[in-house]
Amino acid sequence: DAGVIQSPRHEVTEMGQEVTLRCKPISGHDYLFWYRQTMMRGLELLIYFNNNVPIDDSGMPEDRFSAKMPNASFSTLKIQPSEPRDSAVYFCASSQGKGSNQPQHFGDGTRLSIL
Amino acid sequence: SQQGEEDPQALSIQEGENATMNCSYKTSINNLQWYRQNSGRGLVHLILIRSNEREKHSGRLRVTLDTSKKSSSLLITASRAADTASYFCATDSFHGSSNTGKLIFGQGTTLQVKP
Repeated sequence: DAGVIQSPRHEVTEMGQEVTLRCKPISGHDYLFWYRQTMMRGLELLIYFNNNVPIDDSGMPEDRFSAKMPNASFSTLKIQPSEPRDSAVYFCASSQGKGSNQPQHFGDGTRLSIL
Repeated sequence: SQQGEEDPQALSIQEGENATMNCSYKTSINNLQWYRQNSGRGLVHLILIRSNEREKHSGRLRVTLDTSKKSSSLLITASRAADTASYFCATDSFHGSSNTGKLIFGQGTTLQVKP
């Protein structure tokens, strides 16, 4: 079975540009999570979905960030406009349950650099 | 506040030696999970230990849980160069007494196994 697939793997863009990160979760997983990882702040949860519905977006840093899940097999995280401080590795993960009850399966991330 | 915190931050050992990493957490838990992250890759789930379990084994991995001390340890026996990675513990996030459904990850222990 294919794992969580993220694209692109790397993105370099200039400040002010729109950035769209994509994620395909594992089929049958009802939960999808978007994380951001930096050296300073570690791994932070941005938002998570259950059955395509956003449940908790309290980790989204500001209105420049938005996430959608139009169907069970696709999600996007958009940053508009992007800023240098958004540079980080963004991970998508999926799971059959929330919290610590089930393991989360991570994609290999998108390394985002905003110049 | 950070739920799971690993200790030490970094560990360097020779191949064949055992590696022990510790995780402390602040609130109650349902379960505790350990993950591995290889450089440039996403996190991979290693083991889940439930709050009523004290010890769990998986291959060369041994996890212990002491809920009275709010701590867990991950032991890797007979380490190999391929075990070089960062290791994270993850626990439930609570808002007051309510489980938010989110996982909180520690800052991780970076393990280097020298051949």
